[in-house]
Amino acid sequence: DTEVTQTPKHLVMGMTNKKSLKCEQHMGHRAMYWYKQKAKKPPELMFVYSYEKLSINESVPSRFSPECPNSSLLNLHLHALQPEDSALYLCASRSRTKNTEAFFGQGTRLTVV
Amino acid sequence: DAKTTQPNSMESNEEEPVHLPCNHSTISGTDYIHWYRQLPSQGPEYVIHGLTSNVNNRMASLAIAEDRKSSTLILHRATLRDAAVYYCILLNTGNQFYFGTGTSLTVIP
Repeated sequence: DTEVTQTPKHLVMGMTNKKSLKCEQHMGHRAMYWYKQKAKKPPELMFVYSYEKLSINESVPSRFSPECPNSSLLNLHLHALQPEDSALYLCASRSRTKNTEAFFGQGTRLTVV
Repeated sequence: DAKTTQPNSMESNEEEPVHLPCNHSTISGTDYIHWYRQLPSQGPEYVIHGLTSNVNNRMASLAIAEDRKSSTLILHRATLRDAAVYYCILLNTGNQFYFGTGTSLTVIP
């Protein structure tokens, strides 16, 4: 199984809602990533987890709250988002061994209304 | 974060080779050079990666300059399915994985 599965595929939420994005992989990868991608722009790194611990936070606003409950699962909790947070949110995973590639999910298309 | 620079767009005729360049002049000795591509409305897909030597796989070849300050992704025979945005990325020891601006490849039938 070489897939990274993201759910849901699409999400529409109001600015006062609380929602969560989910990412799952069963490749035994111990590095997991969240990216945000606006239309026609490259993905921007948000968070990196290494061995289930947050290792990089790219100064992301606190309305985005990541969580890594176990080595297969990565969540992104959303609260009080703004319309400008609408984007494609991508999850990726890779082995901690340096000479390996990353696997990306298909993303969650988020619209904040 | 080590940066990469790529041309914004390139065109190629179908079934001809394509050379996609990437400059990474601030690369450190332990950074791996990765290439990914992204089709519309999909997540990025791994293409190839290398450290110092040229690399080949079923999808492409990667040519790395001797000083490692640049690299070139080579698609040997472009097909319409190769039309995508191609990203050159440096992976460092801190597991940081930053995308550059990418090159949008158009394949002309």
